[in-house]
Amino acid sequence: QVQLQESGPGLVKPSETLSLGCTVSGGSVNNADYFWGWIRQTPGKGLEWIGSVDYSGSAHYSRSLKSRVIISIDKSKNQFYLKVNSMTAADTAVYYCARDRGSSSGRVFFYYMDIWGAGTTVTVSS
Amino acid sequence: QSALTQPASVSGSPGQSITISCTGTSRDVGGYNYVSWYQQHPGQAPKLIIYDVNNRPSGISNRFSGSKSGNTASLTISGLQADDEADYYCSSDTGATTRLFGTGTKVTVL
Repeated sequence: QVQLQESGPGLVKPSETLSLGCTVSGGSVNNADYFWGWIRQTPGKGLEWIGSVDYSGSAHYSRSLKSRVIISIDKSKNQFYLKVNSMTAADTAVYYCARDRGSSSGRVFFYYMDIWGAGTTVTVSS
Repeated sequence: QSALTQPASVSGSPGQSITISCTGTSRDVGGYNYVSWYQQHPGQAPKLIIYDVNNRPSGISNRFSGSKSGNTASLTISGLQADDEADYYCSSDTGATTRLFGTGTKVTVL
């Protein structure tokens, strides 16, 4: 079955850029039925959608993070990525990647996130 | 709107039924049938339990059911069990190429 696994540094300095990857196994990211998304959860808080990218590389972002985030996809490696610049302590969180069932042809709709990675903890500290 | 509104906590005794609400606007919950619900146990990733308002993925107990009326979606857990103690989140498409999550509800089994 499809599985997702996050990778990347657990510690980032303030003002630096966070780079995370998500490896998809058991299935292909080159699938028009899905987006590939990133979600974060700050300590003791709720879930926050960061954004999602489709198989063609078209990405959509949360309004609150749009100015600092880039999500990309590499079909040859079956991976997708998250970059967040100008990191601060407020960005300390568990970051999840997930498969996001939706529609990217014509009008964009996000239906549901059916497969999640285990999550990776990112701490922002000098 | 930054998040859909859920009650912070709901509790019930084993065997009882509880309902969690998820309130949005006509631009998100009320506008589309793309409401989903997720269960998250401590230290674990969220798990999809309801999609498209009232559909259960394969393997999810029929004790979980979803509905929607106007701008409010609801998750009902019937026959409450100890393992249902977890955090629950709703989510909805906003019709503006973004997705929102709810504020989250902690379910306690008394």
